[in-house]
Amino acid sequence: NAGVTQTPKFQVLKTGQSMTLQCAQDMNHNSMYWYRQDPGMGLRLIYYSASEGTTDKGEVPNGYNVSRLNKREFSLRLESAAPSQTSVYFCASSGTDLPGNTIYFGEGSWLTVV
Amino acid sequence: AQSVAQPEDQVNVAEGNPLTVKCTYSVSGNPYLFWYVQYPNRGLQFLLKYITGDNLVKGSYGFEAEFNKSQTSFHLKKPSALVSDSALYFCAVRDGGYSTLTFGKGTMLLVSP
Repeated sequence: NAGVTQTPKFQVLKTGQSMTLQCAQDMNHNSMYWYRQDPGMGLRLIYYSASEGTTDKGEVPNGYNVSRLNKREFSLRLESAAPSQTSVYFCASSGTDLPGNTIYFGEGSWLTVV
Repeated sequence: AQSVAQPEDQVNVAEGNPLTVKCTYSVSGNPYLFWYVQYPNRGLQFLLKYITGDNLVKGSYGFEAEFNKSQTSFHLKKPSALVSDSALYFCAVRDGGYSTLTFGKGTMLLVSP
């Protein structure tokens, strides 16, 4: 059981380039999330999708777009990468977006923008 | 707005000694509280959660946490630390009316042999 799978694991981009981070979960979860982790700042929510067909902004959505492709897949796109987007990105999922549901995380994608 | 504070950037403990990693929270309604652990270059792994009921919650790898409503705290504890417990620990909270989880900044736990 793979859980939450993210690709790529590592990526180096030049300023202004675009890229898409892919995420898929095999737990039949309804809700999916994208977080970024920066040193000393914990995890901050970028976007989430409470259910297939819906997406909402989180705490730090600027410079990102998302697509909930189907129930399994939730992608994060950087249209014009900036050095401030150098970070570790985590995709996550939960059964529903109800408060007591546990959120499960992927292994992370390390992104460097030069 | 909901928030989480982890007052210690780092906790040092000797192997075999008890450990505590502190967490305090602020929410407008009833809190739903979580602890996660992150090993180097890995994703976050769920340890335990408090939803309702018994204030002492037991989780994975021998960890437990005590919910204290009056002190708005949810400290993580383990009776006897292992070197392999060395990792980054995150506390997180959400309330009943808020759709997303808010994380603390994390506490690095270092267990020395």
